[in-house]
Amino acid sequence: NAGVMQNPRHLVRRRGQEARLRCSPMKGHSHVYWYRQLPEEGLKFMVYLQKENIIDESGMPKERFSAEFPKEGPSILRIQQVVRGDSAAYFCASSPRQGSGGELFFGEGSRLTVL
Amino acid sequence: QKEVEQNSGPLSVPEGAIASLNCTYSDRVSQSFFWYRQYSGKSPELIMSIYSNGDKEDGRFTAQLNKASQYVSLLIRDSQPSDSATYLCAVNMGNNAGNMLTFGGGTRLMVKP
Repeated sequence: NAGVMQNPRHLVRRRGQEARLRCSPMKGHSHVYWYRQLPEEGLKFMVYLQKENIIDESGMPKERFSAEFPKEGPSILRIQQVVRGDSAAYFCASSPRQGSGGELFFGEGSRLTVL
Repeated sequence: QKEVEQNSGPLSVPEGAIASLNCTYSDRVSQSFFWYRQYSGKSPELIMSIYSNGDKEDGRFTAQLNKASQYVSLLIRDSQPSDSATYLCAVNMGNNAGNMLTFGGGTRLMVKP
C-alpha cells in the first residue's frame, strides 16, 4: 500500500518561473492537505482539498499560489512567478475522510529552491 | 499569540535518560492532539495521538494531555541517539473543517551517547 507520493522531490527554479508540485494521496484517501516548511521552522498550513473542491485555503498567499485536486490525477500546488522567499519544503498530507481520528500521513516533500 | 507553542530547544539529554517535551495550545475547543517526529531533511512521521485527558503509553513513549491547562507533553523513556530529531506538536483545532492540523514550531531533541 503506497504512501503519499510527491514529485518532484527537488525542484530548482529561477525567479519569475513557475513551479508545479504534485501529490498523490494514499490509496483510499480523499482528503489532501498542503503544508509549507521554511528552514528551521514548523509546518504552516496552506490549503485543504477534497476531490474537485477547495475546502479551506486560509493559509494560501493571496497571489501567485493556487491548488487543485481534480477528479482524476494528483493534487497540484502551483506557484507562479516564484521569488526567493518561496524556497521551502512543501509537504502534502492525506487522510481517509473527515473525522477519521485526525491523523495526517505525510509525503516525503518537495524541496523548492529559487535562484 | 501563537496557537501552538513549543520550546525550540535544543533539548539535550544523555542516552538512557527521560526526555520531556512540552506543548501548549490556545484553542480550548481543540479535540485531537498529535506528536510527530521529523528527522533532518525528512517528512514528519506520526508517533503518538491522544484525545482525552490523562496519559497514553506506547512503548517508550508516553503522551500526556491536560485540557484544563491546555497542555500536552511527550515523554521518551530510555532515550536513544536514534531519537535525536525534531518533535512537532500538532493540534486539531475545533473550529476548522476536516483533519487540518496546526503545528508548533518543533523542539529539537539531541540524545548524547
